[in-house]
Amino acid sequence: RKEVEQDPGPFNVPEGATVAFNCTYSNSASQSFFWYRQDCRKEPKLLMSVYSSGNEDGRFTAQLNRASQYISLLIRDSKLSDSATYLCVVNRDSNYQLIWGAGTKLIIKP
Amino acid sequence: GAGVSQSPSNKVTEKGKDVELRCDPISGHTALYWYRQSLGQGLEFLIYFQGNSAPDKSGLPSDRFSAERTGGSVSTLTIQRTQQEDSAVYLCASSPKFERGGLYEQYFGPGTRLTVT
Repeated sequence: RKEVEQDPGPFNVPEGATVAFNCTYSNSASQSFFWYRQDCRKEPKLLMSVYSSGNEDGRFTAQLNRASQYISLLIRDSKLSDSATYLCVVNRDSNYQLIWGAGTKLIIKP
Repeated sequence: GAGVSQSPSNKVTEKGKDVELRCDPISGHTALYWYRQSLGQGLEFLIYFQGNSAPDKSGLPSDRFSAERTGGSVSTLTIQRTQQEDSAVYLCASSPKFERGGLYEQYFGPGTRLTVT
């Protein structure tokens, strides 16, 4: 089993719709969680950190479920520019090594 | 300000040749990471430098891979006797520092696309 697993997609979603995807992690000692966004042939960029209580940044909401060991990302009122691959990132134990999921591809259609 | 830069952006080499990839982190960032990403895959950790501490080389896939960081700034990743399976995008990231109990955002360079023929 991979340490961080994501549905590779692609998720094909009409513009304006709400889309959500999850990411599961295997190490119960993980403390830090992030969502990164990666455009085609570009480097990853931080979208948002994920806090225990859940957090929101504009149209984006991130949730953490420690009991079931998954994090989620919800995108409301999706825009064409949201089309990208979304990478789930979890730290290994409490050290600096980050474990990266393979990403979920999202395609927003007009 | 200037972000993380990497060179070359693309490198095509013949199997068996050595290659050097360069990373210039953001000025003042003490932590530097090397990753590689194969097509359709997540990022694979290679090596981590933090200040003057000994680097964490636990992610290097074989002894053909080595990296150094001179003067706490520029880093070079060297792959000796390249193999076709080394073909990937090599990404460098830097962050201000790591403190136990907290992680700082990693800022990535544009990567070097390595193709071994």
